[in-house]
Amino acid sequence: DIQMTQSPASLSASLGETVTIECRASEDIYNGLAWYQQKPGKSPQLLIYNANSLHTGVPSRFSGSGSGTQYSLKINSLQSEDVASYFCQQYYDYPTFGSGTKLEIK
Amino acid sequence: EVQLVESGGGLVQPGRSMKLSCAASGFTFSNYGMAWVRQAPTKGLEWVATISYDGSSTYYRDSVKGRFTISRDNAKSTLYLQMNSLRSEDTATYYCTRDHGILSYFDYWGQGVMVTVSS
Repeated sequence: DIQMTQSPASLSASLGETVTIECRASEDIYNGLAWYQQKPGKSPQLLIYNANSLHTGVPSRFSGSGSGTQYSLKINSLQSEDVASYFCQQYYDYPTFGSGTKLEIK
Repeated sequence: EVQLVESGGGLVQPGRSMKLSCAASGFTFSNYGMAWVRQAPTKGLEWVATISYDGSSTYYRDSVKGRFTISRDNAKSTLYLQMNSLRSEDTATYYCTRDHGILSYFDYWGQGVMVTVSS
């Protein structure tokens, strides 16, 4: 199985700030990476696929980048509605997820 | 609007069986692979099983192989997960998801259904 190491586990930032969440794969996943947002008590929602493509309806302040084994999710101009947990997922092999990052507002 | 609505969860004793259903609407169900993803309480996400658009191919994580069966009825736009020999470690919220390809990313998720395995 491909292991996904996500960091940080938790993050506190101020409104309007830019935050970055990272995921490292145990081997090259050739951009087969997605990011999900899970708000408290809700199901996950797709944000980014193919490492850097924005899913329909996702605000442009979310962006993804990376290649090989290293990927990141950036949120510009943090809004209160961005409070959530964020997960990465690789699909180069059988799907596996990162352990998640809990984002709070400072 | 894509909608996925799970049903069939609840409390079940270890070793017993349970069947989950997922009613799909808002898209041509028979064109898409589908998958189940679970999340244990306060834990991360774990892929469980995937089925191809026509049901001819199925894939499972090792820990459920031989115990769980994913299936679909395209005439009813419904996905199923038959879970046998349930263990305490299967306790989780189970999400029905649409697979963008096969063993790909999950572009739509249901609201989830809780399965608790306990005596």
